[in-house]
Amino acid sequence: AQKVTQAQTEISVVEKEDVTLDCVYETRDTTYYLFWYKQPPSGELVFLIRRNSFDEQNEISGRYSWNFQKSTSSFNFTITASQVVDSAVYFCALSGNYGQNFVFGPGTRLSVLP
Amino acid sequence: DGGITQSPKYLFRKEGQNVTLSCEQNLNHDAMYWYRQDPGQGLRLIYYSQIVNDFQKGDIAEGYSVSREKKESFPLTVTSAQKNPTAFYLCASSIPLQPQHFGDGTRLSIL
Repeated sequence: AQKVTQAQTEISVVEKEDVTLDCVYETRDTTYYLFWYKQPPSGELVFLIRRNSFDEQNEISGRYSWNFQKSTSSFNFTITASQVVDSAVYFCALSGNYGQNFVFGPGTRLSVLP
Repeated sequence: DGGITQSPKYLFRKEGQNVTLSCEQNLNHDAMYWYRQDPGQGLRLIYYSQIVNDFQKGDIAEGYSVSREKKESFPLTVTSAQKNPTAFYLCASSIPLQPQHFGDGTRLSIL
C-alpha cells in the first residue's frame, strides 16, 4: 500500500526565514511520481512540482527548492526567505507510474508571520 | 481558458435530501476524481474514473454516487445515506503521468 507522511502538522515562521516541509513516502512500486501542492486559504489546490522516481536531481524554482532522497524515501520542500503569501497548507502526494493510486499526505499548515 | 469548473461554490443540504455537485473540465483529461476534505485534514478519495462510463470507489465511497456519461463531466451525488456530509469537496482531473488539476471546490453544509 502507498502512504505519504507529513509529520509536521503546523509550522510558524517569521517572514524572511527559511523553512523546510518534510515528506516521507512508502511504496512498493519501482517507478512512481511525487508531487507537492499548495492550498491557500481560498481552498483550491495549486500544483507546484512533480518528480519522477528515476530523477533524483534536486530542483530549484525561485525561492522554492526540493530535495529528493530515494535512499530515505523523502521528498522535502524548502522555501527560502519566506513571505506572508506563502502561508497555506502544503500537501505532498504520491502516484504510481501511470497516475494510479494517487495518495495525499495529511498536509502541513505553514503560517508566515510579518 | 482550460480548466476545471466546480459548482456551486457553496451548497446547503437538508436532512434526508440528496444533492449533486457538478464538476466539468475542458482539459480533455481522461481521468477524473472526487475528494473530500474535512477541516484541518488532508484529502480523501471518494470516487475516481479513468474513462467514460467507468468509475471505481475510493477510500470513502459510502453514501456517495457518481456517473461518467461524458468525458467532460463527473458529477457527485451526496445521498441521504451519507450521515456526515459537511465538508469541502474537490474535483480533479488528469492524464497519465501528469499531475492532477483541481477545481476551486464546493463547500457543503447541513441545514
